[in-house]
Amino acid sequence: EIVLTQSPATLSLSPGETATLSCRASQSVSNYLAWYQQKPGQAPRLLIYDASNRATGIPGRFSGSGSGTDFTLTISSLEPEDFAVYYCQQRSNWPPYSFGQGTKLEI
Amino acid sequence: QVQLVDSGGGVVRPGGSLRLSCAASGFTFSSFGMHWVRQAPGKGLEWVAIVWSDGTTKYYADSVKGRLTISRDNSKNTLDLQMNSLRVEDTAMYYCAREALCSGVSCGYFQHWGQGALVTVSS
Repeated sequence: EIVLTQSPATLSLSPGETATLSCRASQSVSNYLAWYQQKPGQAPRLLIYDASNRATGIPGRFSGSGSGTDFTLTISSLEPEDFAVYYCQQRSNWPPYSFGQGTKLEI
Repeated sequence: QVQLVDSGGGVVRPGGSLRLSCAASGFTFSSFGMHWVRQAPGKGLEWVAIVWSDGTTKYYADSVKGRLTISRDNSKNTLDLQMNSLRVEDTAMYYCAREALCSGVSCGYFQHWGQGALVTVSS
């Protein structure tokens, strides 16, 4: 089973700043990695798939990079609505489809 | 627009059973793999099960294998999760999720989600 480790657990930033979130896989997942945003009381929302492709309707300030075992989600010019929990997920080696433990982005 | 509506959650005793349903609309249901993903209170996301678009193939997380059964009815656009021998650790919000399209093919990311059905297992 592939284990995804996200860092940091919590990231404290202000609106307008740039957030850099990390996801590391226990073995290579090629580029088969996605990022999700989840706000309290809501279902997750797909942001990025295949490491760097923005999902439909996702603003350009969200970008993903990486391949193999190390991946980054970058959120430029943070907006107030961006403060949420972010998860990475792999589809390279399944079952199971695995998620990271999450990074909380707080003000 | 794509819509997934989860239902069937509730409170059940350990060892009991529950059946969740997900009603899909706004897309060609029979063209997409469908999943259940759960989230325990205050915890992260855990993938539970997948059923392929034609319903012939299913896979499960080890934690639920032999107790939870995923199924679909492509004539009714519905996805189900039969939950037997429930344990306290199965307490979670259960989401049905539709796969994304990757280069025009259904792939193992979760593009659309239901609103969730809360399952509480408690004595």
